[in-house]
Amino acid sequence: AQRVTQPEKLLSVFKGAPVELKCNYSYSGSPELFWYVQYSRQRLQLLLRHISRESIKGFTADLNKGETSFHLKKPFAQEEDSAMYYCAIGNYQLIWGAGTKLIIKP
Amino acid sequence: GAGVSQSPSNKVTEKGKDVELRCDPISGHTALYWYRQRLGQGLEFLIYFQGNSAPDKSGLPSDRFSAERTGESVSTLTIQRTQQEDSAVYLCASSYWGIEAFFGQGTRLTVV
Repeated sequence: AQRVTQPEKLLSVFKGAPVELKCNYSYSGSPELFWYVQYSRQRLQLLLRHISRESIKGFTADLNKGETSFHLKKPFAQEEDSAMYYCAIGNYQLIWGAGTKLIIKP
Repeated sequence: GAGVSQSPSNKVTEKGKDVELRCDPISGHTALYWYRQRLGQGLEFLIYFQGNSAPDKSGLPSDRFSAERTGESVSTLTIQRTQQEDSAVYLCASSYWGIEAFFGQGTRLTVV
């Protein structure tokens, strides 16, 4: 079955600490992989996609095909990173994780 | 328009009434998704349209829910005989095939 698992519903870290949001997946084939973010009272929007190999707002995501994971990382969290983060995979139809709420404590 | 537009932004309805939610996708986008987001919860997939292919309705929670899309244009999500548990934000997204999905601002549905 095709599935995306974000094991943490809530993650709370202090400002300046490293952040890792976990995403594990099960998928037949080679999907595109994405991280989306939803800031308070804003639309859900793309944060980054694997194929771009970009670092957006200090976040990076590494694909581990052996572990079928696509964890999102940032070395030093900032208060403005507080948001809901979703991992999504797919080729034409996106499969979504349940999301992780990230809270950055001052 | 420049983005995905949903209407209405807010809808309050009485239990048992039918509601219709509208989504205007980005012009040219082949794929359209409907999701439900309950307060404090993640995205719940409802239905997926891709071009003229048969839609994937596997996420619709009951036969009270239905959605239509004509070609690559507007989509409507209809909820019949609304129940209080239908209260949520309903999100629409569109994409050009599987490339980046763009979301609307959502319709907040409250069933009283």
